[in-house]
Amino acid sequence: DAKTTQPTSMDCAEGRAANLPCNHSTISGNEYVYWYRQIHSQGPQYIIHGLKNNETNEMASLIITEDRKSSTLILPHATLRDTAVYYCIVRASTGTASKLTFGTGTRLQVTL
Amino acid sequence: DAGVIQSPRHEVTEMGQEVTLRCKPISGHDYLFWYRQTMMRGLELLIYFNNNVPIDDSGMPEDRFSAKMPNASFSTLKIQPSEPRDSAVYFCASSLGGRARHNEQFFGPGTRLTVL
Repeated sequence: DAKTTQPTSMDCAEGRAANLPCNHSTISGNEYVYWYRQIHSQGPQYIIHGLKNNETNEMASLIITEDRKSSTLILPHATLRDTAVYYCIVRASTGTASKLTFGTGTRLQVTL
Repeated sequence: DAGVIQSPRHEVTEMGQEVTLRCKPISGHDYLFWYRQTMMRGLELLIYFNNNVPIDDSGMPEDRFSAKMPNASFSTLKIQPSEPRDSAVYFCASSLGGRARHNEQFFGPGTRLTVL
């Protein structure tokens, strides 16, 4: 699976958009970009995934660059409950389960 | 659905003792994963099962660790004998495979293990 690079930490004011970047310059054509988050003392939680088109769900939006070498997770209106570690993961998806390899992630702190 | 259930939530034991962690996956899910999380190493996959069969145990640290899945609704992770360096939070996760799915993994609340 391709390696990802994320900033160690970020701050965001409550109510503002949080934009979390991820670099995955060695991504392969069959690899998807997944985002999970882990709120303190809880297990990781799936947020969103995408291949090459932008994706949006009730939690977030995922913007993937045209060359697919980087992506941005957007939380449109961050709240204090969004304070967590956010993991960007790249892996192939062939319809069968495969490993999730978690890096160090980005620690997002949402403040008043 | 209650989600992935793990027990116990906290375990404190002494070095050399046997420890058994338990997991009940989400009903109908055919994949089960065991992860370990520490400050030093982050979140690591230990082993995963598909239809109760171990598929990849390359993350299991050593022979002291073993995992079983006797049926679709129950799995155990056993450490014997336990050592202080095994202290960590152990997560179980499950997912539903299949061609049309992207295998979102659902994590349990974790078991915090402390080995004295």
